[in-house]
Amino acid sequence: QQQVKQSPQSLIVQKGGISIINCAYENTAFDYFPWYQQFPGKGPALLIAIRPDVSEKKEGRFTISFNKSAKQFSLHIMDSQPGDSATYFCAACAGNNRKLIWGLGTSLAVNP
Amino acid sequence: DAGVTQSPTHLIKTRGQQVTLRCSPKSGHDTVSWYQQALGQGPQFIFQYYEEEERQRGNFPDRFSGHQFPNYSSELNVNALLLGDSALYLCASSGGAQDTQYFGPGTRLTVL
Repeated sequence: QQQVKQSPQSLIVQKGGISIINCAYENTAFDYFPWYQQFPGKGPALLIAIRPDVSEKKEGRFTISFNKSAKQFSLHIMDSQPGDSATYFCAACAGNNRKLIWGLGTSLAVNP
Repeated sequence: DAGVTQSPTHLIKTRGQQVTLRCSPKSGHDTVSWYQQALGQGPQFIFQYYEEEERQRGNFPDRFSGHQFPNYSSELNVNALLLGDSALYLCASSGGAQDTQYFGPGTRLTVL
């Protein structure tokens, strides 16, 4: 059972365009939702994270939109650049142990 | 400030052997989590260590064991290696009440 469902599996965007990746969850106990960026052969790097008491958070070109009632959250990458080409993972966690539950990832390719 | 470091970078073993992977957390962090990431998949939680004890465990067999030292560094041990254990093993550290987990570059384990 996939507790965090991520879509699309892959995405191709033109340089300067907007990349949008969506995630949905079932467990209402989740209270922290990070997005990670991963390049081939490297560890995931935290991009941006949000908590359920906020509907939107922006850091530079990256924005998280959060819809608590729909149990969905999304990552928007504005002015996408070829250097943004990577795999993006959404995740969620709850409880004292803060175990991250991950989506399956989205492979983003930004064409020059 | 050094981030999370892992050693070795790459490792090749044969079936049935045992392996030990090492992780040094980010300065000031006291919690270490280990994840397994198969090729093309999202990370899967193995276990988490805090105050030298295993605090939570994912769905991994007892062949996977770990240890945390007084300086918060950690080891992941895998016994009786199987071909299916081939993966990128990621260590993440976090500290105090912070939710953010910072990942190391990973150790690529290949089992032949």
